[in-house]
Amino acid sequence: EVQLVESGGGLIQPGGSLRLSCAASGFAVSTNYMSWVRQAPGKGLEWVSIIYSGGNTYYADSVKGRFTISRDNSKNTLYLQMNSLRAEDTAVYYCARASSYVSGTSNWGQGTLVTVSS
Amino acid sequence: DIQMTQSPSTLSASVGDRVTITCRASQSISSWLAWYQQKPGEVPKLLIYKASSLESGVPSRFSGSGSGTEFTLTISSLQPDDFATYYCQQYNSYSWTFGQGTKVEIK
Repeated sequence: EVQLVESGGGLIQPGGSLRLSCAASGFAVSTNYMSWVRQAPGKGLEWVSIIYSGGNTYYADSVKGRFTISRDNSKNTLYLQMNSLRAEDTAVYYCARASSYVSGTSNWGQGTLVTVSS
Repeated sequence: DIQMTQSPSTLSASVGDRVTITCRASQSISSWLAWYQQKPGEVPKLLIYKASSLESGVPSRFSGSGSGTEFTLTISSLQPDDFATYYCQQYNSYSWTFGQGTKVEIK
């Protein structure tokens, strides 16, 4: 069974850093397209970043230069390093999986809440 | 970045209605479009991928069509379980952007 479990969220001051983790089971992160998607309270979905199975990484303009996506294949875990956090980064962050480029994002974690506030 | 615009933003409909939601891309995305359903307090659920392919387990009353810049999600006969917010997402470019969402409400 495919499972995605996020952790690492919390309350952080503006300008601070946080690292989110997503522990995967039932499949290998190294052979899938792994994304981070966020949702601010009461708002819509916003795509944040993706790491392709080949290792290429891409980012939304809103986080480029501040966030870094990575994976640890030995731990089967996806990460999102978030630096220079702003109030507008406050959201639930979801880890999500697409088994191929064609297939759409079929599996989602339950999300972890990041609150950026002084 | 490619911008995705959904219409309408809110839709009021009754059980049994045929419902259509439109998603327009700011440039051609071929057929690289997915549709998701999200209910309050739940994670998004994939309905359609590659514009018109039905995800396994999704009821056949859901269908998707379109290519290039204009796409539609159709629910042939709205059921009580379908009242939710629907999002399109393009994955043609290196930035997999979502539309702003369409909330389907009970009329």
